[in-house]
Amino acid sequence: DIVMTQTPLSLSVTPGQPASISCKSSQSLLHSDGKTYLYWYLQKPGQSPQLLIYEVSSRFSGVPDRFSGSGSGTDFTLKISRVEAADVGFYYCMQNTHLPWTFGQGTKVEIK
Amino acid sequence: QVQLQESGPGLVKPSQTLSLTCTVSGGSISSGSYYWSWIRQPAGKGLEWIGHVYTSGSTNYNPSLKSRVTISVDTPKNQFSLKLSSVTAADTAVYYCARVIMYYDILSPWGQGTLVTVSS
Repeated sequence: DIVMTQTPLSLSVTPGQPASISCKSSQSLLHSDGKTYLYWYLQKPGQSPQLLIYEVSSRFSGVPDRFSGSGSGTDFTLKISRVEAADVGFYYCMQNTHLPWTFGQGTKVEIK
Repeated sequence: QVQLQESGPGLVKPSQTLSLTCTVSGGSISSGSYYWSWIRQPAGKGLEWIGHVYTSGSTNYNPSLKSRVTISVDTPKNQFSLKLSSVTAADTAVYYCARVIMYYDILSPWGQGTLVTVSS
């Protein structure tokens, strides 16, 4: 199985400040079809996960442009340009390139 | 707007079979643009993909659960289901169903989740 390792596991951010989460995979996530199936999900308190970013850097419908994704191969990053109170929760990276699909451990983001 | 809702027993005895249903509303489960997935989350822990089913009935399962899991689709009822046999306390978790958008393999939306506790 592909192991997804997120750092840090916890992040406390002042509103308006940037935040960054790293996700590293144990194998390249570049698929033979040329796409990289790396996703970022946010699970807000008491809610089910919701998609933020798909295929490394594409923002899902309705996701604010303060969220951005980047990376390639085995190293990926989610950045929040200006953290807001609504952004608190657990952030998970996920890979769908290889079966079984696997998630990172999650990064808890809270507001200072 | 498509919505998914999990249903089933909240308590299952060890060694028995966990059975959950996901009802899809606001859209047809038969749409060729989607397939359907189950994910679980033990309390205070991360997410684990269980498997998915296409409307053709073909499936993919997590090898860690493959010998115990069956996912099937019931198109007339607009539902898909999860069966997990020989459960133990380690199977206690919130179980989510989700739609998978084909080509992009996006999990969206997710159901609200249902807690299943394995205990005698």
